[in-house]
Amino acid sequence: TQTVSQSDAHVTVFEGDSVELRCNYSYGGSIYLSWYIQHHGHGLQFLLKYYSGNPVVQGVNGFEAEFSKSDSSFHLRKASVHWSDSAVYFCAVSAGTGGYKVVFGSGTRLLVSP
Amino acid sequence: EAAVTQSPRSKVAVTGGKVTLSCHQTNNHDYMYWYRQDTGHGLRLIHYSYVADSTEKGDIPDGYKASRPSQENFSLILELASLSQTAVYFCASSDWGAYAEQFFGPGTRLTVL
Repeated sequence: TQTVSQSDAHVTVFEGDSVELRCNYSYGGSIYLSWYIQHHGHGLQFLLKYYSGNPVVQGVNGFEAEFSKSDSSFHLRKASVHWSDSAVYFCAVSAGTGGYKVVFGSGTRLLVSP
Repeated sequence: EAAVTQSPRSKVAVTGGKVTLSCHQTNNHDYMYWYRQDTGHGLRLIHYSYVADSTEKGDIPDGYKASRPSQENFSLILELASLSQTAVYFCASSDWGAYAEQFFGPGTRLTVL
């Protein structure tokens, strides 16, 4: 069974700062990892994904994430945040053997102050 | 453009009443999902479907039924709504299960009184 943990419930930064949102997972086999963003009052939107290859993956709006097998992590980063990046970010994991199930983390609320 | 729509967008129901939440997708996706989101928490999978006329239980199916009459439509049914089912419900679709990104609807805020 795969699990995912987002240790920071809330992160507050200033506009222009860099940010890293943390995600750790637990699963013994090959794994498919992704990040989603949820703006207030809306559904989740896909940001980026990793399955294999280059451990650093690029997403939309300047976001990137880095996979680390040794740390069981898939942290999301952005070099310079904008106030519009304020949202809740969800890490998600699914087993690489296929199937249906995607497990979502509890989310990290990012607040970007002007 | 691919889209997932949900109706209603919000609903107030009485305890013991029947509630039907509807989801429609124009993505031509095989997989559809129903999740619930409670305040400050992530998403939990209720039911899913990978083909019309067939549904499967997710992690928290108790108190919920699902119906997939066509590839485009997926409904969530609460036969006897309870206070504990107050939540935001999201429908999603994906192309090929767990490997593919999920496309989410805008959500339905359900309040059971």
